[in-house]
Amino acid sequence: DTAVSQTPKYLVTQMGNDKSIKCEQNLGHDTMYWYKQDSKKFLKIMFSYNNKELIINETVPNRFSPKSPDKAHLNLHINSLELGDSAVYFCASSQAGGIYNEQFFGPGTRLTVL
Amino acid sequence: QKEVEQNSGPLSVPEGAIASLNCTYSDRGSQSFFWYRQYSGKSPELIMFIYSNGDKEDGRFTAQLNKASQYVSLLIRDSQPSDSATYLCALSNAGGTSYGKLTFGQGTILTVHP
Repeated sequence: DTAVSQTPKYLVTQMGNDKSIKCEQNLGHDTMYWYKQDSKKFLKIMFSYNNKELIINETVPNRFSPKSPDKAHLNLHINSLELGDSAVYFCASSQAGGIYNEQFFGPGTRLTVL
Repeated sequence: QKEVEQNSGPLSVPEGAIASLNCTYSDRGSQSFFWYRQYSGKSPELIMFIYSNGDKEDGRFTAQLNKASQYVSLLIRDSQPSDSATYLCALSNAGGTSYGKLTFGQGTILTVHP
């Protein structure tokens, strides 16, 4: 069974479009995250939700809007896509949101904006 | 100064040797430290975590933490070609807006040659 899953795996779209990425975890974890990995492989947190509540919101353009319908799901909607949004987006989850938070990552969604 | 610094490598070691991966960090409030392995095109996979000063061993892997020197390392004994990957050092801070946030280094590329 897949622990953290994401759809789609690949996303190719034109500048200016709006797209969504979905994430689901079946680990029973309370906390979920979105990370962005750029072309230099640098991994940086974007958002974190704990039991459907937003707890971390890094300096991310407001074109990015996360949504957690329940604690097993965390989606990411991106409006007005720009070339610089091209990256791999990883969803992750952990049992709790504290400092002892071993995070488990999904397979990633490779977004290419043309 | 970057929050988490790693030598990007590539680090090349022969099969059977010990690979030593190093990481320094700037925030003395960091309390937990993680090593992730990322194969090309795949997601980060947690391989070790350490919270206390000293050594922690798990199979062929040993994590070492020295909070006074703000230094964490990962030793891989009897390196195998299958260990060839990018190794990401990450830390988690206590309290405030950093609650539960993982900050990653840029990763060290390890190549184990037969």
